[in-house]
Amino acid sequence: DSGVTQTPKHLITATGQRVTLRCSPRSGDLSVYWYQQSLDQGLQFLIQYYNGEERAKGNILERFSAQQFPDLHSELNLSSLELGDSALYFCASSVEGTKGRNTIYFGEGSWLTVV
Amino acid sequence: KNQVEQSPQSLIILEGKNCTLQCNYTVSPFSNLRWYKQDTGRGPVSLTIMTFSENTKSNGRYTATLDADTKQSSLHITASQLSDSASYICVVGLYSGGGADGLTFGKGTHLIIQP
Repeated sequence: DSGVTQTPKHLITATGQRVTLRCSPRSGDLSVYWYQQSLDQGLQFLIQYYNGEERAKGNILERFSAQQFPDLHSELNLSSLELGDSALYFCASSVEGTKGRNTIYFGEGSWLTVV
Repeated sequence: KNQVEQSPQSLIILEGKNCTLQCNYTVSPFSNLRWYKQDTGRGPVSLTIMTFSENTKSNGRYTATLDADTKQSSLHITASQLSDSASYICVVGLYSGGGADGLTFGKGTHLIIQP
């Protein structure tokens, strides 16, 4: 158990809908990251937050948005869903950023299926 | 362009045998190199983290090496077990002096251990 909690574990929704994925980081971790992993694809970085503020942005679509709340949990909002958005979405956390030996811990992921 | 290339894409070996997975990167400026193990449908789990000054790091039967001059890393698995069947992902950290840090992920090597 990495200590990173993601909900829901599985989600099936229709095209055009909106969903929210939730992440609770490890206790004490200030950085939260979101990644997308499609079938047989590598992990794609979406966005990073540090202590409530956006720190880095990757290949995140305009239809997607995220935020980190004062209690450090984070939410990833996916709207106007398309079939191609079906993927495993991971949340990860670390004490600080990605420098040095700072370990990044991943949650078990949220499986999103768009039908 | 920052890239991480892993080889082979997939590998099948018999239980008890050793194997070595390769990772070449073009990420610059370099901060760190990480190896993760990802079981199918699960979150990645950190195996090793190495910074520029380190050229080897062990974690049980896993030994990672780093040659920062040639920008190559390897992950050696000794006396493989059935539970080693997984994808192994090489991740290189980009050093950013004052702002966001970034990780570049390889697509992974899919390892299958056969009894």
